[in-house]
Order: sequence, then structure tokens, then C-alpha cells
Amino acid sequence: DVKVTQSSRYLVKRTGEKVFLECVQDMDHENMFWYRQDPGLGLRLIYFSYDVKMKEKGDIPEGYSVSREKKERFSLILESASTNQTSMYLCASSLGGSKVSETQYFGPGTRLLVL
Amino acid sequence: KQEVTQIPAALSVPEGENLVLNCSFTDSAIYNLQWFRQDPGKGLTSLLLIQSSQREQTSGRLNASLDKSSGRSTLYIAASQPGDSATYLCAPNVLAGSYQLTFGKGTKLSVIP
Repeated sequence: DVKVTQSSRYLVKRTGEKVFLECVQDMDHENMFWYRQDPGLGLRLIYFSYDVKMKEKGDIPEGYSVSREKKERFSLILESASTNQTSMYLCASSLGGSKVSETQYFGPGTRLLVL
Repeated sequence: KQEVTQIPAALSVPEGENLVLNCSFTDSAIYNLQWFRQDPGKGLTSLLLIQSSQREQTSGRLNASLDKSSGRSTLYIAASQPGDSATYLCAPNVLAGSYQLTFGKGTKLSVIP
């Protein structure tokens, strides 16, 4: 079974802090994704990566950056946390390459509260 | 830009009933479509992925259908159980190779024992 893990289930930070959210997958997937989920807005894609050191902006990249130094690890960085970044953050991965099936597998989520 | 609508937003049924969840999307040029389940406070679990060339995909008591030309997909759940209570999300993938899913806001299902 694919396993996607996220470093924290719950996180409380102060406005202006630099925040790191870590995601690790154990199935040698090429693609990794970061989403945020808010009531009434659903899931929105922040960034994704299709290879090591490669990244693409999603729908709402402002205020975020990402890092993918190793294939299994994809980090989301909030350079200066703000209260409007309080949200549930979900990481996902998929096989990538030339495979037809692109099932995305999700981690358990990190609920971030910025005070 | 792809927009995804799921109707109803919430549904409550007695145990044992068969039910249908609906998903519509505005851009019919999709590559595939996934259905997910989300339990409260948890991540998403993939239920079914249906390719654009397919009309149906089945897994146990779940059956997903796809009518690409009309921009619709349905998830049929047979003989519902209390353990099926969750939010169900559909997500079409617009472009081959883009890997980007657009999510609906989901249907919250409650199955009453």
C-alpha cells in the first residue's frame, strides 16, 4: 500500500513565523502535490512537483514556496505565516511517468492554526 | 477554468438504501475522473478512477459512471452502511500529463442505522 505521511497532524504558529510542512511518500512516486482545504472553498492546489527539484505553481501559490530535494520528500514553506493561512493542508502523491492511471494518494493532513 | 459541482451538498439515508451522488463539470475535455472519500478531520482516500474512454468503473458496492460529453459523473453506492458515512468528492483531471485535479466541494453522506 502507498503510504503518504505528514510531519504534524496539528500545528500552532504565530503570525510572521516561518513554517515548514513536510510530506514523505514511500512508493517512489514521481509526482507530489500540496493542497489546502477550507470550508466552503474545497480543496485548492498550491504547488506540485513532477520530479526532484522541479515545481509548478497551482491555483493559489501566493505566500507559499516548496522544496523537493529528494524524490520521496516534498516540503511546503510559509515564508511569513499569516492568519489567512490557517487551514487544513493535504499532501498527495501519484505515480507519474508514462502510466495511464494517475490515482492520487493523500496523507492524513496537517491542521495549521496561525495566531 | 474547470468548475465542478456536486449535488446534493448533504444527504441522509437509512441503512440499506441504494443511493446516487452526482458530479458535473464544465470542461468535458477530461483525461480521467477520480472519486474520493474523506472522513472528518482526515485525508482523502481514493475510491475509483475512471478513464475518459471508460463509461463505468466498479469496486465492491461502488459503481462510478462517466458521461464525458454531458460533463457528468455519478457514484452509485449499493446497500449503504453506517460505515459509508463520509464526504464524497469528485475530481476530474483536465489535461493529460498535467496531473492537476479540480475538486468539487463534496457531498456529505450520513447513513442512519
